[in-house]
Amino acid sequence: DARVTQTPRHKVTEMGQEVTMRCQPILGHNTVFWYRQTMMQGLELLAYFRNRAPLDDSGMPKDRFSAEMPDATLATLKIQPSEPRDSAVYFCASGSPMRTARAKNIQYFGAGTRLSVL
Amino acid sequence: ILNVEQSPQSLHVQEGDSTNFTCSFPSSNFYALHWYRWETAKSPEALFVMTLNGDEKKKGRISATLNTKEGYSYLYIKGSQPEDSATYLCALILTGGGNKLTFGTGTQLKVEL
Repeated sequence: DARVTQTPRHKVTEMGQEVTMRCQPILGHNTVFWYRQTMMQGLELLAYFRNRAPLDDSGMPKDRFSAEMPDATLATLKIQPSEPRDSAVYFCASGSPMRTARAKNIQYFGAGTRLSVL
Repeated sequence: ILNVEQSPQSLHVQEGDSTNFTCSFPSSNFYALHWYRWETAKSPEALFVMTLNGDEKKKGRISATLNTKEGYSYLYIKGSQPEDSATYLCALILTGGGNKLTFGTGTQLKVEL
């Protein structure tokens, strides 16, 4: 049963610490998305990659957030330094436009990382 | 800023009731609309992908329609069951927007016995 895997599921850290969240997309999927769930804005797109190249990171605070795909099986989202306002659930999703029309690029979501910054 | 609006924000219905909610979006540069179902403590899962004006999709008791000219989609649930309780999200893809989905804030549905 193919699924997107995110680690850790929960992270509690102190303000100022570095946080790294990891995502393993579904094998064969070549688009990866990072979202943040907030009360006010629902699912907010932070960044997305196609074929490991970043295509859009306009939703991401550049001064403290960074997203990378070191290889096709791993995407990372880092926050350094973390702040209390970063507390949220971070979701990763992957999709496969190469095998389907773009309009059918259904995104498959991981279980999320719940981050609490104290 | 692209506004994808969903209404109502939340909805409580009784088991057996039929219900519907709305997703509104700018009609210009429309490419596709997705509906996702998001159960509490789980991840969003795709329900429908709609691309053509007048599209109608159905999965069991859930169906959706699309009007791209006026910029809205309706999701209908017939004979609601407690297991239908979830947040229903719509998301828009624009022409030239790549694979990027812009999500609405969702309609939270609670079906009570």
